[in-house]
Amino acid sequence: GAVVSQHPSWVICKSGTSVKIECRSLDFQATTMFWYRQFPKQSLMLMATSNEGSKATYEQGVEKDKFLINHASLTLSTLTVTSAHPEDSSFYICSATSPTTGDSYEQYFGPGTRLTVT
Amino acid sequence: EDQVTQSPEALRLQEGESSSLNCSYTVSGLRGLFWYRQDPGKGPEFLFTLYSAGEEKEKERLKATLTKKESFLHITAPKPEDSATYLCAVRRGRRALTFGSGTRLQVQP
Repeated sequence: GAVVSQHPSWVICKSGTSVKIECRSLDFQATTMFWYRQFPKQSLMLMATSNEGSKATYEQGVEKDKFLINHASLTLSTLTVTSAHPEDSSFYICSATSPTTGDSYEQYFGPGTRLTVT
Repeated sequence: EDQVTQSPEALRLQEGESSSLNCSYTVSGLRGLFWYRQDPGKGPEFLFTLYSAGEEKEKERLKATLTKKESFLHITAPKPEDSATYLCAVRRGRRALTFGSGTRLQVQP
């Protein structure tokens, strides 16, 4: 149980275009989802926290107009990278948590999405 | 501000050579210390959650322990398939996890 999927697993886009990444909780309802970014050989850095039906909370230094997050349902959150630039190339990972899982604050991670902007 | 420091940054072991990874943390109101395993190009895989000093948890060749200032991940008789990056993270309240930079473990046959 507690499986999180991401789509796509990798994507290449041209500079200036937008890319949408989906994060789904497959067998539980996720009241809260988190989006992380990971650069090569570095750890995960939290970008934003999203609660179903409300606006996302962004971490300091993360541009909310560039990284649009939508959490429209209890099983789906999307991250849209708008006007992507090469420096946005990274590994994007989502996680989900729900009070219905064993540990009410346990986070389950998706497999990640590799974004390359050319 | 929550801080998590992992050491060593990288560790190379021979198969069967036991060792420990360290995670030092500073957080007010700790609501869990987490260990994850991450393989290249994949998301973190949950290993353990520890909640209070003195707590220990085991899974196969791995054992995690917790004190008030640090946690250790002990690896007994490691195998090549244990090669991965091991991440430590802390949670305060309902906030997201704060991760350390990880320890890249390589186990040679």
